[in-house]
Amino acid sequence: AQKITQTQPGMFVQEKEAVTLDCTYDTSDPSYGLFWYKQPSSGEMIFLIYQGSYDQQNATEGRYSLNFQKARKSANLVISASQLGDSAMYFCAMRDYRSGGYNKLIFGAGTRLAVHP
Amino acid sequence: DSGVTQTPKHLITATGQRVTLRCSPRSGDLSVYWYQQSLDQGLQFLIQYYNGEERAKGNILERFSAQQFPDLHSELNLSSLELGDSALYFCASSVEPSNTEAFFGQGTRLTVV
Repeated sequence: AQKITQTQPGMFVQEKEAVTLDCTYDTSDPSYGLFWYKQPSSGEMIFLIYQGSYDQQNATEGRYSLNFQKARKSANLVISASQLGDSAMYFCAMRDYRSGGYNKLIFGAGTRLAVHP
Repeated sequence: DSGVTQTPKHLITATGQRVTLRCSPRSGDLSVYWYQQSLDQGLQFLIQYYNGEERAKGNILERFSAQQFPDLHSELNLSSLELGDSALYFCASSVEPSNTEAFFGQGTRLTVV
């Protein structure tokens, strides 16, 4: 069965430092997509970054980059130069192509990041 | 702003009641997904509609139902509500097929008392 594991319930980082949030996944499908979302205290889900299983390069979006290690089935999110506004819950998710649901997402339990001044 | 609109933002209702949550997808998106976020179950996929038809089903209770209308907005109906149904309900929309993100609405926070 497809599964996403986020082993860090909580992390903290000093402002302006970089932080890595861990995500491992399990799937037998050769084609899959991996996502990271940010959920601030206000509750909305904000898309951060996407990595396709066939993408040759690690995805980057501004201060966010995805450290994709296919053989290890890991897709860690790296946030560089942390800002106070980065304090939020972060979810790793995987697209499940089965059952015809193109964008049906399976989520991990999340990691709560606290950025300290 | 993701472009996905959910109403209402907050809903408080009593056990045994029925509520309807509404979602308007982004312009041009034919797919609508419903997710439930609760403290004990995390974020779980409930159901997907594509251009008016049910496409995929997840862990959706029989007391819950959904539909997508010709104008592509969707409604999630929750009936015989229980305390455990208290959660944040998200709607997401996307273009199909898609290799990128599904856009989420701001969610409806349902509290059952």
